[in-house]
Order: sequence, then structure tokens, then C-alpha cells
Amino acid sequence: QSALTQPRSVSGSPGQSVTISCTGTSSDLGTYNFVSWYQQHPGKAPKLTIYDVSNRPSGVPDRFSGSKSGNTASLTISGLQAEDEADYYCSSYAGSYTLVVFGGGTKLTVL
Amino acid sequence: EVQLVESGGGLVKPGGSLRLSCAASGFTFSTYTMNWVRQAPGKGLEWVSSISSGDPYIYYADAVKGRFTISRDNAKNSLYLQMSSLRAEDTALYYCARVPLHCTTTSCSDYWGQGTLVTVSS
Repeated sequence: QSALTQPRSVSGSPGQSVTISCTGTSSDLGTYNFVSWYQQHPGKAPKLTIYDVSNRPSGVPDRFSGSKSGNTASLTISGLQAEDEADYYCSSYAGSYTLVVFGGGTKLTVL
Repeated sequence: EVQLVESGGGLVKPGGSLRLSCAASGFTFSTYTMNWVRQAPGKGLEWVSSISSGDPYIYYADAVKGRFTISRDNAKNSLYLQMSSLRAEDTALYYCARVPLHCTTTSCSDYWGQGTLVTVSS
């Protein structure tokens, strides 16, 4: 059982928007604004997509955006493209003892 | 170009030991905090351990505390994970990953290796 809770799967058609949620607790995501999102294609290493809740690394399209409210963070992908089909993981800083927690991952299917 | 190349994985019996290495290139290794993250076959990501740059702060997930030891050799641009008392549940692809300077905490990793597979089985 992962520390952060994500839906197992989401789907959308090309051009649509989808949102993936990531729910934590007041011990991690609810207290700290240090949420990251990773995209992972099959057989590949994860790719940092969002960091510190809503910041995009260089090279990540602005179709990807992040937000947080209370104990839940969200990744929104607008203008879905076929290459967005992948697994997405959230992670959060969880304090100086546990340090880092991940979500269980969400499989995004582009219909 | 930033590169991280893991090595040292393999098949080991329960209770055995293994030492993973990660060779870094393309950046000033000594100035970056580094992570080990693992992924069991068909499962999600799990943070394992972190080591800061310089005078190192070291952290472990509860699942590996007391069994795994992270270390680094800045002169060799290398990161290590010494694993002992291995269990079946340690079976996973082990990634080393870099924490970018602009990230406030170690929950953020911008470059990842391709991973090295550790299989614990009798």
C-alpha cells in the first residue's frame, strides 16, 4: 500500500484534458509544498514532469500543470496527445524522518 | 550530457548481500544530492535512500533501514548502495537519480539511470 493515493487509471481522447489526483495526509502532502510528478513510459526510467507542486522543468510542455489543495495534489494534462499515454507517479516530501513518499501510480490511456 | 549508469545487480539468495554502483558523468557530481529509488516488477516507485552532497546527510526508508547503506565517492563520481540481509521483497529495478539544485527537497529527481535489476530468490 502506497503512502499517497492515486487512481489506478484514467483515460481521455486526443485534445481533451485529464486530471490525475494524488491524496496524502497532513504528515506529507498536506503540510509541504514539495510535490513532484513523474511520467514513465513502459521500459523507461521516470521523467520529472512537475516539481514543487506546479513548476515545470525545462523541456516539459506547458500542457502539463500541477496544483494542490489541502491534502490533494493534481496533475492536469491538457490537449492530450498519443505520446502522453504512460504511467504517472506523484511524490511528496514527508518530513525529516520519512523523507519521500510516492503514490501507487496512474495509468493514463489516450483513447 | 548528464548520464547515470547503474551496475551490480543480479540474482542473490535470501539473506545475501549485493553492492550497487552508479557512475555519474556530465555534471559536477559532488554538488548534488543523490537518491536511490526502486521499482518492483510491475509495481510503483519506492524511495529507498538519499545522500546529500558535501558533508553528507543520509536517509533511509524504514523498509531498508539497518540493512542497506548508501555512500558516495566524489573523487570517482560514484554512488553506492550496499545491500545486506536481502529479502524477496527487495526484488526490484534499482534506479539512481539526481536531485536538481533548484529542488527544495529530495522528493524531486531530474535525471535517472536505466536501473539495475536485483532479484532475491532461492
